Amino acid sequence: QVQLQESGPGLVKPSQTLSLTCTVSGGSITRGTYYWSWIRQHPGKGLEWLGYIYYTGNTYYNPSLKSRLRISVDTSKNQFSLNVNSVTVADTAVYYCAGQGGFGSRYGMDVWGQGTTVSVSS
Amino acid sequence: QSVLTQSPSASGTPGQRVIISCSGSSSNIERNYVFWYQRLPGTAPKLLIYRNDQRPSGVPDRFSGSKSGTSASLAISGLRSEDEGDYYCASWDDSLTGLWVFGGGTKLTVL
Repeated sequence: QVQLQESGPGLVKPSQTLSLTCTVSGGSITRGTYYWSWIRQHPGKGLEWLGYIYYTGNTYYNPSLKSRLRISVDTSKNQFSLNVNSVTVADTAVYYCAGQGGFGSRYGMDVWGQGTTVSVSS
Repeated sequence: QSVLTQSPSASGTPGQRVIISCSGSSSNIERNYVFWYQRLPGTAPKLLIYRNDQRPSGVPDRFSGSKSGTSASLAISGLRSEDEGDYYCASWDDSLTGLWVFGGGTKLTVL
């Protein structure tokens, strides 16, 4: 059974870049038609989808955040990563990685990581 | 402010039936599938309902989903204490270049 685990610093200074990695275990990141997402949840708020990537490197971003996001994949390490640049306190959130079984609106995210808390503070 | 609207809380006693609603618009729920996610305390979110009313294997048939127009509902029958947690609806939104949108979540309390 595929499992996901987020990793990265829990504290980032304003204006710096937030970098997180999601490690896929129990299966290959190149499996089938899976797309790999990053989602975050601000304190006391709902979930916000940031974007997803296919193992070939094709990416798809939330239009409102696209200019600050970069999602990448490393198939040799079975990992995908998120970079958010020029962070502010508004980027403080729990960050989740997740996978869905195909591209677009027909596939739900059926595998999730536990989430990692990132605080932006000087 | 979440794109999809959910009541922040719901409650029921064991054995009761509870309905959690989700309201969207013509650019999301009306033209795309609705998904429901469950997040129990201390655990990762879990896909509970996909494509409006389908249950992944392992999800009890106490959970059911439906959609009508720009709204969707999750019904939980035979409520159990272990159902206590947060429930989120989600749908693809076709505005701009498209993106997943979620509800703000409904915290279910089993009294």
